[in-house]
Amino acid sequence: QQQVKQSPQSLIVQKGGISIINCAYENTAFDYFPWYQQFPGKGPALLIAIRPDVSEKKEGRFTISFNKSAKQFSLHIMDSQPGDSATYFCAAGFSSNTGNQFYFGTGTSLTVIP
Amino acid sequence: EADIYQTPRYLVIGTGKKITLECSQTMGHDKMYWYQQDPGMELHLIHYSYGVNSTEKGDLSSESTVSRIRTEHFPLTLESARPSHTSQYLCASRGYGNEKLFFGSGTQLSVL
Repeated sequence: QQQVKQSPQSLIVQKGGISIINCAYENTAFDYFPWYQQFPGKGPALLIAIRPDVSEKKEGRFTISFNKSAKQFSLHIMDSQPGDSATYFCAAGFSSNTGNQFYFGTGTSLTVIP
Repeated sequence: EADIYQTPRYLVIGTGKKITLECSQTMGHDKMYWYQQDPGMELHLIHYSYGVNSTEKGDLSSESTVSRIRTEHFPLTLESARPSHTSQYLCASRGYGNEKLFFGSGTQLSVL
C-alpha cells in the first residue's frame, strides 16, 4: 500500500504563476512532512518541511499547507520561475531518532515556461 | 552543500556481473540509506543502517546486499546483475536527531 500519494504527475506553469502540488498520507502517526526538490542529474535536496502542529509554513516563495484532519498537505510555489523547473517529491515520516525511513510520493515534474 | 558522494555516476554492465556501488559521506552521519528510483515511481527504500555493523532491509525487496564497516562508507553490492536491476540508485544519510536527508547524485545502472 502506497503510504504517500502525490498529484499531479506533471505540471506546466507560466512564469509568475502559482504552482500547487498535493499529497495525501495514510499513517496518522507520521509527524514530519518534508518536500524535496530534484534537478536532473542530481539527488533530491530538502526544500521545506512541516510538522503537524502547524497548518502552514512559509519560506520565501515556498509554502506548505497542512490539513491534519484530511491527512493532506500541499506545496505552493508563488511567483514561479524557470529556475524552479524540477521534480518535487513529498514525503512523510517520523521525527524521532528511532524512525528509520521516510515514505516518498511519486514525484511531480514541474516546468515553468518563461 | 551535501558532502555525500556516489560512484560511479553511470554504469553499463552485462548480465551476471558482480558490481559494487560506492557511497561515502564526510558528515559523520550515523544513519545511511539506499533508495531505488524509477521514473514516475516513489523512492523505494532498499537498505538502511543505523551505524557501524548495523544493516537492515527496507520495504522493497532487493537482491542486493550492503555493509557498514566504517561510519562514512555504505557500499551496495549486486552479486549477479540482471536487467531487472536497471534503475537509479540513490544513497542518503542523516545525522543524529536530525530529520534532514542528504542525498548523493545517484548511480544510474543499466544491465544489458
